[in-house]
Amino acid sequence: KQEVTQIPAALSVPEGENLVLNCSFTDSAIYNLQWFRQDPGKGLTSLLLIQSSQREQTSGRLNASLDKSSGRSTLYIAASQPGDSATYLCAVRPTSSNTGKLIFGQGTTLQVKP
Amino acid sequence: DGGITQSPKYLFRKEGQNVTLSCEQNLNHDAMYWYRQDPGQGLRLIYYSQIVNDFQKGDIAEGYSVSREKKESFPLTVTSAQKNPTAFYLCATKGEGTGELFFGEGSRLTVL
Repeated sequence: KQEVTQIPAALSVPEGENLVLNCSFTDSAIYNLQWFRQDPGKGLTSLLLIQSSQREQTSGRLNASLDKSSGRSTLYIAASQPGDSATYLCAVRPTSSNTGKLIFGQGTTLQVKP
Repeated sequence: DGGITQSPKYLFRKEGQNVTLSCEQNLNHDAMYWYRQDPGQGLRLIYYSQIVNDFQKGDIAEGYSVSREKKESFPLTVTSAQKNPTAFYLCATKGEGTGELFFGEGSRLTVL
């Protein structure tokens, strides 16, 4: 059974710091991995999608990497800003699923202090 | 404005009542999903629909029902049989090609 883990559950950093959020999954048989951002009381905003054949994706100050063989993904945030404060969720789509169902981690709540 | 619209944003229900959460999309996506989010538990799949007039149970379908009569709409009914309905409910669609999931803003249901 696929399980997704995000450590740490919470992280607090000063503004301007570069940081890495971690996501691990137990079964390497995945179609893709997606990173989301969630603000309090809001829905999920898709940040980056990495297909299983890709190693990384970049969008602005965000860079996500994928190492399927080791079951790991990282989300790198450069030059963090207070506006980056949110909960970050990763999710994988197992190859056993032809429905698009995602398996989610529980998220890392990030606080960037001014 | 393209996207996924969920309503209502907040809903209060007395025990024993059924309530229906609306999800409308204008992204022209075939697949739609309902997830439930509880603190400390992550998101769990309730129901999904890959095409009009077809839907399947997810991991926690008991006490819920759905319909998919139109491509744009995938309403979720929380019935009185759902033992712990207080939660944040999220609707999503799946983009064609990449398979990227897009989410609405959510509906928070509180049972009084």
